[in-house]
Amino acid sequence: AQTVTQSQPEMSVQEAETVTLSCTYDTSESDYYLFWYKQPPSRQMILVIRQEAYKQQNATENRFSVNFQKAAKSFSLKISDSQLGDAAMYFCATKETSGSRLTFGEGTQLTVNP
Amino acid sequence: GAGVSQTPSNKVTEKGKYVELRCDPISGHTALYWYRQSLGQGPEFLIYFQGTGAADDSGLPNDRFFAVRPEGSVSTLKIQRTERGDSAVYLCASSQRLAGVGEQFFGPGTRLTVL
Repeated sequence: AQTVTQSQPEMSVQEAETVTLSCTYDTSESDYYLFWYKQPPSRQMILVIRQEAYKQQNATENRFSVNFQKAAKSFSLKISDSQLGDAAMYFCATKETSGSRLTFGEGTQLTVNP
Repeated sequence: GAGVSQTPSNKVTEKGKYVELRCDPISGHTALYWYRQSLGQGPEFLIYFQGTGAADDSGLPNDRFFAVRPEGSVSTLKIQRTERGDSAVYLCASSQRLAGVGEQFFGPGTRLTVL
């Protein structure tokens, strides 16, 4: 079974600044995927970025990047040049390559201050 | 095409009643998933379908919960004899593939409140 832990229930950042959200996970699988999802008040989960565990290079999507440390089972999300629209709940999730279900962490509520 | 849609958006019911929650996946997506998100928590897996069959229903909490997908498209999550602890947001997602990266696209959820 996979488990995901997000130790920061809440984070805040000033507009245009950089913030890092933490995530650790546990899995017995050697091949898996990692994801960050954003959930605004509308409740719709939106995929922000994903990482294949077999890739050493950290994934990047515009202002969003990850720091993937496989040995430490750590998968943090960095948001650069934070915007007001980034304010939301952020969930870290894992998925086995051979499986289908996503396993989510508890979430981090991000506030962006103008 | 359109994204995943779920109806109703909100459902209020009384303890002991029966409810049905509907999910319309993205056209052509063969895999469909149900998750439950309690207040202040991350979503928890309930069940997924590949086509018409339930490939894994190990996340259903008890036999009051049941889901169907008779024609391999729309799915209905059914909850019998609802309890106050069933109050949560029920999320549906669909993907083109079951395994591999199989990116899951989520609907806006149904907020169920059991009084």
